[in-house]
Amino acid sequence: IVMTQTPVSLSVTPGQPASISCKSSQSLLQNGGKTHLYWYLQKPGQSPKLLIYEVSRRFSGVSERVSGSGSGTDFTLTISRVEAEDVGVYYCMQGKHLPFTFGPGTRVDFK
Amino acid sequence: QLLQSGGGLVQPGGSLRLSCAASGFTFSDYAMSWVRQAPGKGLEWVSGITAPGGSMYYADSVKGRFTISRDNSENMLSLQMNSLRAEDTAVYYCAIGGVYRGMDVWGQGTTVTVSS
Repeated sequence: IVMTQTPVSLSVTPGQPASISCKSSQSLLQNGGKTHLYWYLQKPGQSPKLLIYEVSRRFSGVSERVSGSGSGTDFTLTISRVEAEDVGVYYCMQGKHLPFTFGPGTRVDFK
Repeated sequence: QLLQSGGGLVQPGGSLRLSCAASGFTFSDYAMSWVRQAPGKGLEWVSGITAPGGSMYYADSVKGRFTISRDNSENMLSLQMNSLRAEDTAVYYCAIGGVYRGMDVWGQGTTVTVSS
């Protein structure tokens, strides 16, 4: 399964919103109703961290400014007001079809 | 917590074994995975294993060369890497989950360099 992300990079003004699109080449909806789409953030020099699981469920400790949406093959990560802690590379990942695959990443930094 | 060890420099065709020691949670309850990141590149899911250890899954790029395993009595995850190639050079991360679920805790990463 091929995962695509747009844009490749995003320069944002602190306090402004940011949005990243992720598309999968096949539906990520499982028969039981779960959709296996995850979002991760890798800050510079750090291990990746889980932000969102099953499209829109925020992982423990993740800011309410971060939200996920979408269905089927089209997904979006939105940061309502970008702050310094949001800088890094964002990856979507599909966990329905083996082998599991990541998108190429979207780099977010400040203008 | 996940504490990784075992990375290093190895010649093409050689072997290396990565380990990931788990603590602070019931290891035997969770599937585990390995993810790698080549220098300057994105993330690549490498392998996953179910909680009991009965099912293992691999990326096409490592199938037949890498073997994932776990010892639930020792809270240890391993990745045996054989027939290593230059393109296997990467930072390798172990993570909780990753088999039909998100990876919610990651290790610190260990560097594998395949070069003559």
